Amino acid sequence: DTGVSQDPRHKITKRGQNVTFRCDPISEHNRLYWYRQTLGQGPEFLTYFQNEAQLEKSRLLSDRFSAERPKGSFSTLEIQRTEQGDSAMYLCASSLTGGPGEQYFGPGTRLTVT
Amino acid sequence: KQEVTQIPAALSVPEGENLVLNCSFTDSAIYNLQWFRQDPGKGLTSLLLIQSSQREQTSGRLNASLDKSSGRSTLYIAASQPGDSATYLCARDSGYALNFGKGTSLLVTP
Repeated sequence: DTGVSQDPRHKITKRGQNVTFRCDPISEHNRLYWYRQTLGQGPEFLTYFQNEAQLEKSRLLSDRFSAERPKGSFSTLEIQRTEQGDSAMYLCASSLTGGPGEQYFGPGTRLTVT
Repeated sequence: KQEVTQIPAALSVPEGENLVLNCSFTDSAIYNLQWFRQDPGKGLTSLLLIQSSQREQTSGRLNASLDKSSGRSTLYIAASQPGDSATYLCARDSGYALNFGKGTSLLVTP
């Protein structure tokens, strides 16, 4: 257990539905990251926050995706109008600025869009 | 696009062997190089982080080295055990995002 938690662990949804995932980082970590991993691939960066500010977004993050970190603690990732291509593992990580920069990952949320 | 390549893609060894996993990256301007382990269907466990000013890091039976000039890192696993079976991923830290390779799938047979 790295101290990063994600909820839910698994989500099955029908195409066109909206889904929301939650990530709770290690409490003193001010940076929070979202990645997406498909089968047989390494994780791909989606976005990151420093405190409550969203500082970078990948071009992978289409308009249907939105992420928030309202109080600089937990974060949510919402996918609107899900598509089958959204099926993947969504991973959250956190780190501390000023330290070595090691990122600690949560267990992930497995999304299946039917 | 910054690319990270891992060789081999898969490896099967008998228990007790020493082995080397390779990682190469196209941009030598890195902050850190981080090695992870991933078990099937699970999240990532950080194994070792090498900062750009360092050349290697060790933890137990694991040793990772970094050669920025050639854009390469290696993960050395000594005296492999069946419990080491997993996918090993290396990731180049660009300053905020980690760029991952596809991983090396390791199977250690008893």
